[in-house]
Amino acid sequence: DTAVSQTPKYLVTQMGNDKSIKCEQNLGHDTMYWYKQDSKKFLKIMFSYNNKELIINETVPNRFSPKSPDKAHLNLHINSLELGDSAVYFCASSPGTGVEKLFFGSGTQLSVL
Amino acid sequence: GNSVTQMEGPVTLSEEAFLTINCTYTATGYPSLFWYVQYPGEGLQLLLKATKADDKGSNKGFEATYRKETTSFHLEKGSVQVSDSAVYFCALFANQAGTALIFGKGTTLSVSS
Repeated sequence: DTAVSQTPKYLVTQMGNDKSIKCEQNLGHDTMYWYKQDSKKFLKIMFSYNNKELIINETVPNRFSPKSPDKAHLNLHINSLELGDSAVYFCASSPGTGVEKLFFGSGTQLSVL
Repeated sequence: GNSVTQMEGPVTLSEEAFLTINCTYTATGYPSLFWYVQYPGEGLQLLLKATKADDKGSNKGFEATYRKETTSFHLEKGSVQVSDSAVYFCALFANQAGTALIFGKGTTLSVSS
C-alpha cells in the first residue's frame, strides 16, 4: 500500500484554468504538507495542516487554496493557473508537528501552457 | 532567518569513488538536521538525521556529523555505487511550532560504472 498517494501524477493544462491535486495518506499521521519544487529542484513549503487545521501558510498567492476534509486528506486547488505555476508539487505527512520524519508522495508534475 | 546552503551540482563520480556533499546552515537555537534523497521520478526519502551537536547520522553507507562550531552537516560515503545516483537535499528543522522543514537547493549526484 502506498503511504502517501497523490493524483494525478501529471497535469497539463492551459493558462487561466482551475485545477486540483489530491493527496491521501494512510499512515495515521496528524500533519500534512504541500511543497513546490521548481525546475532547479528547489523545494519550498507552501502549506501545512495539523488535524485539519492550517498551521503554516507561506507567502503563496491566494489562487492556491488547500482543503483538508479530514486528517488523512489534503487537497490543493489552484485557480487561474499561470505559466509560473509549472512545477512539481509534493504532498507529505508526518506523525506530528515535530517533523521527525516526513513521508513524501511521488509528486504531481504540473505543466501550464 | 533559517536557511540551508548546499554545494552546487552536479557531482559526477566513478563507481567506488569517495563522496562529499557540503551543507552549511543558519539557524537560531538548536535545529535538527536531515539529509533526504530523491531518486528519479520519486518523492523524497529520509536518508539520515541528527538532532543535536556532535551526533552522527548514518544509513546505507552514508554518514553526516552535526558540527555546531562550523554550522555544517556534510554528507559522506566512502564508496559510491551507480544506484546512489539521485538528488540529495540537506534540510533543517528549527524545532519551533509553526515552522516546517527547510530544504537546501539539492545536489545532483551522477555515478558511472
